[in-house]
Amino acid sequence: EVQLEQSGAEVKKPGESLKISCKGSGYSFTSYWIGWVRQMPEKGLEWMGIIYPGDSETRYSPSFQGQVTISADKSISTAYLQWSSLKASDTAMYYCTQSPTLLDAFDIWGQGTMVTVSS
Amino acid sequence: QAGLTQPPSVSKGLRQTATLTCTGNSNNVGNQGAAWLQQHQGHPPKLLSYRNNNRPSGISERFSASRSGNTASLTITGLQPEDEADYYCSAWDSSLSAYVFGTGTKVTVL
Repeated sequence: EVQLEQSGAEVKKPGESLKISCKGSGYSFTSYWIGWVRQMPEKGLEWMGIIYPGDSETRYSPSFQGQVTISADKSISTAYLQWSSLKASDTAMYYCTQSPTLLDAFDIWGQGTMVTVSS
Repeated sequence: QAGLTQPPSVSKGLRQTATLTCTGNSNNVGNQGAAWLQQHQGHPPKLLSYRNNNRPSGISERFSASRSGNTASLTITGLQPEDEADYYCSAWDSSLSAYVFGTGTKVTVL
C-alpha cells in the first residue's frame, strides 16, 4: 500500500527553526514527485512547492520561494519542509502529496502536520 | 498569486445533482485542465479527478469532471450525506510554473 507518513505536530516560538518530514512507503520513492501544501486554520489550500527525489529537482510557488526549503533524502525515502525563522503566520496544517508526474499532482496525501507558532 | 475562482457554497437535496465550477484562464485551466479534490472536515484532501477528467481507482462514478475553455466543472449525481465536504480544483499555471488552487466550494446536502 502506498503511504505517506508525516512527522508529528509541532509547537514553536517565533524566530525558531523547524524541519518537518514526510516518509514514503510502498512505492519507488525516487520515481515520484513529493509536493507540499499549506492550509491555514479555516482557510483553503495553498501549493508551496515540489521535489523529485530522483534528481532533487525542486520547484517553488512564487509565494513561498525564499520562505521555506524543500529537500529529500532518498536513502531513507523521506522528504522535508523546513523553515529557518518561523513566524506566527506560519501556523497551519502542512500536507505532503505524491504524484507520478509534475503535472498530475495530489494523487496520494499524507495525514498532515500541524505547526503552531506562538510566543 | 492568482487563484482559481469557485462559488463559496452549493446546497442541494438528497439524491439531487450538484455542479461545481472552477474558473481560471488560458495559462492554467484552459491550458492544462484541472484536478478536483474533496476534503472532509479534519481530514486531508482526497483526489477525485485527474486533470484529464479520469477518476482515480476507487472513486465513485457519481463524480464526473469536464472542462470547457477556461472553466472546469465537477458534477456530483445522486447526492449522499457523505458528499458534504469542501471541494477544491487545482491546475498547473504555466506562467507561474506553479500550481494554483481554487478558493473552494462547500457542498451541503439538504
